[in-house]
Amino acid sequence: GNSVTQMEGPVTLSEEAFLTINCTYTATGYPSLFWYVQYPGEGLQLLLKATKADDKGSNKGFEATYRKETTSFHLEKGSVQVSDSAVYFCALRSSASKIIFGSGTRLSIRP
Amino acid sequence: NAGVMQNPRHLVRRRGQEARLRCSPMKGHSHVYWYRQLPEEGLKFMVYLQKENIIDESGMPKERFSAEFPKEGPSILRIQQVVRGDSAAYFCASSPPTGRTLNTEAFFGQGTRLTVV
Repeated sequence: GNSVTQMEGPVTLSEEAFLTINCTYTATGYPSLFWYVQYPGEGLQLLLKATKADDKGSNKGFEATYRKETTSFHLEKGSVQVSDSAVYFCALRSSASKIIFGSGTRLSIRP
Repeated sequence: NAGVMQNPRHLVRRRGQEARLRCSPMKGHSHVYWYRQLPEEGLKFMVYLQKENIIDESGMPKERFSAEFPKEGPSILRIQQVVRGDSAAYFCASSPPTGRTLNTEAFFGQGTRLTVV
């Protein structure tokens, strides 16, 4: 079945450090891929998405590229801020059906 | 355009009582999803509904849990005879009608935090 595996946390970085959160997936067909972010006590917000191979999603300085050959969708940011502290979820959708989420990666940024 | 609205935000129930969680999707959205999140864990899919139809309930426990999305009104997730293990955050999400679904993200509500005492 379809699944998403993402880097386990927590991840702790200093402000302005480079961020990578790894995400790989298993799916039939050609899924759409998403990164969601969850701030404390809130629901999930879409951060970025990519719908076909080699697409790059980007938002708020975050980027992720849909790599079909490695079945990956790693999240990157060049310079993180304290306000980026949150839990990040990688997700996929492979049909007119449910979205499947990874287990989430908690990110903490030190001032 | 209001987002996905869930209520209540917090719900406390004693063991054995019933819990009813409500979700109003975004305007124009006809697909609703329910997910459960245990503390410090990811989101587990429970059920996917369209108006008056259950499309996928593969994540729903076999007993005590049910969901509906009537023609009029919000989607309801119902938990009968709650137990302590049901304590979690329950999130609802919605997305537009089929045809654009594959490329479309789901929009999430703020969640209902259920505590069973």
